[in-house]
Amino acid sequence: DARVTQTPRHKVTEMGQEVTMRCQPILGHNTVFWYRQTMMQGLELLAYFRNRAPLDDSGMPKDRFSAEMPDATLATLKIQPSEPRDSAVYFCASGLGQAGGEETQYFGPGTRLLVL
Amino acid sequence: AQSVTQLDSQVPVFEEAPVELRCNYSSSVSVYLFWYVQYPNQGLQLLLKYLSGSTLVKGINGFEAEFNKSQTSFHLRKPSVHISDTAEYFCAVTPSNSNSGYALNFGKGTSLLVTP
Repeated sequence: DARVTQTPRHKVTEMGQEVTMRCQPILGHNTVFWYRQTMMQGLELLAYFRNRAPLDDSGMPKDRFSAEMPDATLATLKIQPSEPRDSAVYFCASGLGQAGGEETQYFGPGTRLLVL
Repeated sequence: AQSVTQLDSQVPVFEEAPVELRCNYSSSVSVYLFWYVQYPNQGLQLLLKYLSGSTLVKGINGFEAEFNKSQTSFHLRKPSVHISDTAEYFCAVTPSNSNSGYALNFGKGTSLLVTP
């Protein structure tokens, strides 16, 4: 049963620390998405990649967030320095990259981040 | 740009009763529509999607949704709910003719609470 995996599942850190979240997309999927979920804003798209190239990261605060795909099996989302307002659940999703947006996105279980 | 409005933030319902979760969207272009479900402490999973063709779409777990272009709605229904349907439900939209990517715009979610 192929699944998207995310590590860590939970992270508690102090303001100013660097946070790195990792995602392993389903093998063979060529699109990867990062979402942030908060009570106030709901689900927000931060960035997405196709064939490891960033297509859109306009939803991401550029001064502190960065997203990369070092290879096809790993996507990372980094926050440096972290702030309390970054506390949220961060989801990674992957898809087959079907033309026109009809693809199903498969979500990982999320990383629950708390910045004190 | 596309947007989604989920008209009810919470829907309480008794077990075996019917339920409808409402979703309206706004878009200047044609769209694909999706319903995702999020069980407690899990990622989202696809319930169903409308791409084209029949406006009545059937999904997993006995759910169905009807696309109404004139009313720009995509309401989710189930004739008889179970306790296990308790979850957060998200309506999402993406442009059907996008050449630049497949990002989903999600609604704020509707919390379905099924009680005995």
